[in-house]
Amino acid sequence: DVKVTQSSRYLVKRTGEKVFLECVQDMDHENMFWYRQDPGLGLRLIYFSYDVKMKEKGDIPEGYSVSREKKERFSLILESASTNQTSMYLCASSRAGLHNEQFFGPGTRLTVL
Amino acid sequence: QQQVKQSPQSLIVQKGGIPIINCAYENTAFDYFPWYQQFPGKGPALLIAIRPDVSEKKEGRFTISFNKSAKQFSLHIMDSQPGDSATYFCAASIGTGTASKLTFGTGTRLQVTL
Repeated sequence: DVKVTQSSRYLVKRTGEKVFLECVQDMDHENMFWYRQDPGLGLRLIYFSYDVKMKEKGDIPEGYSVSREKKERFSLILESASTNQTSMYLCASSRAGLHNEQFFGPGTRLTVL
Repeated sequence: QQQVKQSPQSLIVQKGGIPIINCAYENTAFDYFPWYQQFPGKGPALLIAIRPDVSEKKEGRFTISFNKSAKQFSLHIMDSQPGDSATYFCAASIGTGTASKLTFGTGTRLQVTL
């Protein structure tokens, strides 16, 4: 059974803290994605990666960075968390190639106080 | 700038009814249109998808209708069941390199009552 796991289901951090969200997939997928999900806004792409050490900005990359040192792991980093980054964060992965299905993790609900 | 507009925001239907969720897009470069279904506490999962060279695709009780000239597509759920209660997202995709970027609609929360 294919699986995308995220390190935490719930996370509470303080303004200004550095936050790491981890995502691991066991499907040997080349592509990995980070989205944030907010009510009334749907899912918005933050960053994606199509290979180890490769990354591309999505639609809302400001305030975020990513790291992909191994094929199965994709990390989202909030260098200095702010209250407007309180959200649900979803990781996804897909095989290389166009229009392949994206498999999502269960999400991490991050609250920044 | 919302590239994929989805409506309605929420929908309540009785069991056996046919909920219809509509999406519209502006960018004619989109070339793949999937629908994702999300249950509470879970990540979205691919439900059904269509390419713009066909006007309809059916998988079980789920049907996508696609109107290329109007730049609109919709999801119909036949004989809806309480287990279909979920949030539905339409999306549109552009291929780039070896990955496809998905642009999602804002979501429709569907509730199917007994």
